[in-house]
Amino acid sequence: EDQVTQSPEALRLQEGESSSLNCSYTVSGLRGLFWYRQDPGKGPEFLFTLYSAGEEKEKERLKATLTKKESFLHITAPKPEDSATYLCAVHPNSGGSNYKLTFGKGTLLTVNP
Amino acid sequence: DTAVSQTPKYLVTQMGNDKSIKCEQNLGHDTMYWYKQDSKKFLKIMFSYNNKELIINETVPNRFSPKSPDKAHLNLHINSLELGDSAVYFCASSQFVLGTGTQYFGPGTRLTVL
Repeated sequence: EDQVTQSPEALRLQEGESSSLNCSYTVSGLRGLFWYRQDPGKGPEFLFTLYSAGEEKEKERLKATLTKKESFLHITAPKPEDSATYLCAVHPNSGGSNYKLTFGKGTLLTVNP
Repeated sequence: DTAVSQTPKYLVTQMGNDKSIKCEQNLGHDTMYWYKQDSKKFLKIMFSYNNKELIINETVPNRFSPKSPDKAHLNLHINSLELGDSAVYFCASSQFVLGTGTQYFGPGTRLTVL
């Protein structure tokens, strides 16, 4: 069964203090790995898709990387507005799961001013 | 211009009642989904429709019945509501392209069963 484990569950940073969030996954094959941001009371907002090991994508202060077993979301010099829950999801490469994303439980990031 | 919209945003009801949640997307996508997010914030897929055809039906009580009148709409009807159905329900859509379509989510419907 496909599994996605995110760590830490919660992370508190000071403004400007860079850090990384981890997403470890176990799938039979990977079509894609997705990162979403979720603000309280809102739906998940798409950030990145990564398809193959070694791939990297950046958006403002965020950079996502992918290996064969895990993905990292690096946050450089975060600001309070980066506070949110960050969700990782995998899209497995198996016949019965063509449309199915399996999500991790998320990392709650709080950035203090 | 909202891409994926849901109504209502909040739903408070008594046990045993029947209720519906509606979802519409204006992205031109051909695949739509229902997810449930429980109190621990864990997001889990319930159903998916592709071009009005049911393609994913996870282990969900048959009190839950999705219906897709057309590609842009996916509704969720819940019969005989139970306390454990309290959660946030999210609709999402994607353009299925070689199996890697990014999913876009609606704002969610918070269901509270009393």
